[in-house]
Amino acid sequence: ETGVTQTPRHLVMGMTNKKSLKCEQHLGHNAMYWYKQSAKKPLELMFVYNFKEQTENNSVPSRFSPECPNSSHLFLHLHTLQPEDSALYLCASSQDRAARPGGEQFFGPGTRLTVL
Amino acid sequence: DAKTTQPNSMESNEEEPVHLPCNHSTISGTDYIHWYRQLPSQGPEYVIHGLTSNVNNRMASLAIAEDRKSSTLILHRATLRDAAVYYCILRAPNYGGSQGNLIFGKGTKLSVKP
Repeated sequence: ETGVTQTPRHLVMGMTNKKSLKCEQHLGHNAMYWYKQSAKKPLELMFVYNFKEQTENNSVPSRFSPECPNSSHLFLHLHTLQPEDSALYLCASSQDRAARPGGEQFFGPGTRLTVL
Repeated sequence: DAKTTQPNSMESNEEEPVHLPCNHSTISGTDYIHWYRQLPSQGPEYVIHGLTSNVNNRMASLAIAEDRKSSTLILHRATLRDAAVYYCILRAPNYGGSQGNLIFGKGTKLSVKP
């Protein structure tokens, strides 16, 4: 496989469930990102990892817990979510964090999450 | 973060050129201008970026005003597959901090008519 893959593509969970979203990139990149896209709102950056280290957390509630075991894999662990957390969760990767060539981000197709 | 202003929506006919405008009057001298697009039911994809000079790639052209306060993404021949939301984003040349992040606005929804 090439590019950025995300699983599952769709997820329905109750507020008391625990689930995890998985992202994998086959591009040899060093930076990985989680974004949230809610209906009628712009994409919001949630977390940034650079060389497996978390470098940014944009005030995301603790019910979202990211994990980056290596530069190719990124997880988002979910627990006790609320219905307003229903959204499209997108993963992205980039070679590095720069704005110059090499810093462009490659996005996965997203996981459509519904919290009941 | 410097902000951009784009029209909410635009329409185009298939096989005709499309000019998508973006205003960024508060751009700093070192901000790069990036364009991404998001096709229906997909994640965003990189289109093009530039600093001062006009840029061309296989997907599009980017025309940057001399004062850098505006730019235009040009699709030379629109196809039905180009129907998407197009985002114009300014990125500071940060090599590790938050200033280099992509900050998405609402973008321009482009519709392409056959």
